[in-house]
Amino acid sequence: QVQLKESGPGLVQPSQTLSLTCTVSGLSLTSNSVSWIRQPPGKGLEWMGVIWSNGGTDYNSAIKSRLSISRDTSKSQVFLKMNSLQTEDTAMYFCARGAPFDYWGQGVMVTVSS
Amino acid sequence: EIVLTQSPTTMAASPGEKVTLTCLASSSVNYIYWYQQKSSASPKLLIYYTSSLASGVPDRFSGSGSGTSYSLTISSMEAEDAAIYYCLQLTSTPLTFGSGTKLEIK
Repeated sequence: QVQLKESGPGLVQPSQTLSLTCTVSGLSLTSNSVSWIRQPPGKGLEWMGVIWSNGGTDYNSAIKSRLSISRDTSKSQVFLKMNSLQTEDTAMYFCARGAPFDYWGQGVMVTVSS
Repeated sequence: EIVLTQSPTTMAASPGEKVTLTCLASSSVNYIYWYQQKSSASPKLLIYYTSSLASGVPDRFSGSGSGTSYSLTISSMEAEDAAIYYCLQLTSTPLTFGSGTKLEIK
């Protein structure tokens, strides 16, 4: 069955870089896109960006200058890197398959604090 | 950027009551997708391509609309339907979600 699981540090210092990994199973990254979506505590959902099945990427223009999404198809992993983190980047970070997002990971909570 | 406006922001319904949630787009979109989120769990896809029911979703849920106006209807409210509902557009990037409707049980 299709599964996605996010991993990464729970706490990041302001101005530092966030690195998250989404490990997938039951699907091929060369046939499926994967998006990153985040949700600040008590707030709504924000699409961050996508890596398409062909390896191309699209990013939300609001954070494009700080964001990079890449993948390692041999390890079935998708990576998110976002620099210059601020407190407003505190959120639950999800990875999800496809568009629409029919399968989601459980999410990883990231807190930006010194 | 296409902005999706959901209404109402919050509502409460009695068991058995019919519920209609609305999603208005700032520009015409091809389709709308609906998600249900309970507590801090991952959102669950309910409706895709505006009116198609996702696998395993009870048939009391339905979707309709076109252009800039879309709706999600629950024909008969059940306690387990209490959640936050989000709409999503995939017509253009950035992909955008509505701000959500919180649905409570009376």
